[in-house]
Amino acid sequence: ETGVTQTPRHLVMGMTNKKSLKCEQHLGHNAMYWYKQSAKKPLELMFVYNFKEQTENNSVPSRFSPECPNSSHLFLHLHTLQPEDSALYLCASSQGGRLQETQYFGPGTRLLVL
Amino acid sequence: DQQVKQNSPSLSVQEGRISILNCDYTNSMFDYFLWYKKYPAEGPTFLISISSIKDKNEDGRFTVFLNKSAKHLSLHIVPSQPGDSAVYFCAASAGRGGSEKLVFGKGTKLTVNP
Repeated sequence: ETGVTQTPRHLVMGMTNKKSLKCEQHLGHNAMYWYKQSAKKPLELMFVYNFKEQTENNSVPSRFSPECPNSSHLFLHLHTLQPEDSALYLCASSQGGRLQETQYFGPGTRLLVL
Repeated sequence: DQQVKQNSPSLSVQEGRISILNCDYTNSMFDYFLWYKKYPAEGPTFLISISSIKDKNEDGRFTVFLNKSAKHLSLHIVPSQPGDSAVYFCAASAGRGGSEKLVFGKGTKLTVNP
């Protein structure tokens, strides 16, 4: 596997379910990101991890809980979501620790909350 | 309040002609700009970037122009090819003295007709 991978690619869950999204990067990067893309809205940054430390939480509700066990893996734990949380969730990575870095994106997880 | 605006949701161009995608921004702290391309069912792919110390950056068929006084940038694709049909996102960040996070526009869907 190369680049940034995400699993699952599609997920349907009920409002009482608990699920997790997984992201893995094979680029040797040290920064990882979660983005949300809702219909007809720009990509919205959710969380940033730099060298496994969370450096940005963009006012995300606590029903979204990120975890970064190492520089290659990033999880987004989902709990008691709402239908309006249905969106495309994208993971990205970048070199880390430098300004003006290019971010490389995974294919995304299409989430539907019923 | 959108800091990065792509006012044209779609653009249709004939193969071989020039495609011009536009982007406006409001935050004067932005000093690094990127264009991403996104095909259906894939994550955004980095295309080209420009730092605010330049007003033009070229990579093959793709050229990005930056007009800092107008807070405007554009992506030129020439000649356009059917494989260029995708959604194009403009993104900006403020590296010096501001947040390094990327702020995205809503995207412009480009269709290149054979």
